Amino acid sequence: KQEVTQIPAALSVPEGENLVLNCSFTDSAIYNLQWFRQDPGKGLTSLLLIQSSQREQTSGRLNASLDKSSGRSTLYIAASQPGDSATYLCAVRDSSYKLIFGSGTRLLVRP
Amino acid sequence: DTGVSQDPRHKITKRGQNVTFRCDPISEHNRLYWYRQTLGQGPEFLTYFQNEAQLEKSRLLSDRFSAERPKGSFSTLEIQRTEQGDSAMYLCASSTGDNQPQHFGDGTRLSIL
Repeated sequence: KQEVTQIPAALSVPEGENLVLNCSFTDSAIYNLQWFRQDPGKGLTSLLLIQSSQREQTSGRLNASLDKSSGRSTLYIAASQPGDSATYLCAVRDSSYKLIFGSGTRLLVRP
Repeated sequence: DTGVSQDPRHKITKRGQNVTFRCDPISEHNRLYWYRQTLGQGPEFLTYFQNEAQLEKSRLLSDRFSAERPKGSFSTLEIQRTEQGDSAMYLCASSTGDNQPQHFGDGTRLSIL
């Protein structure tokens, strides 16, 4: 059974710092991995999707990497801003149609 | 592209009542998914539609839950005889293909009194 873990559960950093969020999964037979952002009381906003054949994806200040063989993904946020404060979730899609989510990392960027 | 729309945003009901939620996916997205999220956890999959066909259903979905997607457009999720444990955020997502990003609505928050 696929399990997704995100470490740390919470993170507080000063504005301007570069940071890395971690995601690990137990079964490497995935089709893709997706990173989301969730603001309090809101739905999920898709940030990046990495196909199983890809190593990384970039969008603006965000870079996500995927190492399928070791069951790991990282989300790198450059020059963090207070507006980046949110919960970040990673999810993997295996042979079924569904996404399997981690519990998220709550990020606070202090001005 | 108006995004995934869910209605209502909040629903408060008494235990034992029936509730129905609606999801309007992004136009031309033929895949539609329902998830449930409790506080401090990631969403958990409930069910999946490709057009009007319900192709997968989680074991989390007891007999009290039913979902439909008539004509392959909007979808409804009904919970009968609600219980305290049904309190959660119910999220809908849509996509254009199995390997494409899933786009989520803002969810319906259900509170059972």
